[in-house]
Amino acid sequence: EAGVAQSPRYKIIEKRQSVAFWCNPISGHATLYWYQQILGQGPKLLIQFQNNGVVDDSQLPKDRFSAERLKGVDSTLKIQPAKLEDSAVYLCASSLRVVVLAGYNEQFFGPGTRLTVL
Amino acid sequence: AQRVTQPEKLLSVFKGAPVELKCNYSYSGSPELFWYVQYSRQRLQLLLRHISRESIKGFTADLNKGETSFHLKKPFAQEEDSAMYYCALSHYSGGSNYKLTFGKGTLLTVNP
Repeated sequence: EAGVAQSPRYKIIEKRQSVAFWCNPISGHATLYWYQQILGQGPKLLIQFQNNGVVDDSQLPKDRFSAERLKGVDSTLKIQPAKLEDSAVYLCASSLRVVVLAGYNEQFFGPGTRLTVL
Repeated sequence: AQRVTQPEKLLSVFKGAPVELKCNYSYSGSPELFWYVQYSRQRLQLLLRHISRESIKGFTADLNKGETSFHLKKPFAQEEDSAMYYCALSHYSGGSNYKLTFGKGTLLTVNP
């Protein structure tokens, strides 16, 4: 089966500009995640969707970051305006569903978008 | 609050030597722990999960609740094991939802 798709793979912008990332999850996966991975760190969850509803956005900097998943499939993550500290790899992941038996909640990751803010 | 600590940023071993990647966690609930791996130019992927008690690619990991550890072990390292390894904790986040908290990762290099 096709994996999680993300675009673009690389993006370079100047601070205060806007940027958007796109993610297409694995077909049939109800849950979609956006992670931020700063160099030298592990991935940090920004937002989690169940179908087209947000189930967790507690770590999303809402003053500048926004995300949507309007039809419960594709998702976009936007940063407006970008800051230098937003330079990171943005990972999208999907899973079949958010399950109560969390031990089986395998997430499948996309290749990521590497953002450089100058 | 939940936390995952991987004390080693870098770990270098020779082929055929045993390898152990350390992971400690902090969580007040019942932990669900995973190891994810990222090979060069590949995507982050699940290696193994503690609840399955399985061995994948010769790797095993045992959950030690007393020491709050989930170390990843392999008796004989291979060059193809060279990769970035992340320990992750799945924890309750409200409603019927769980989310993953990752450690900072350990870069394993297996030398010939």
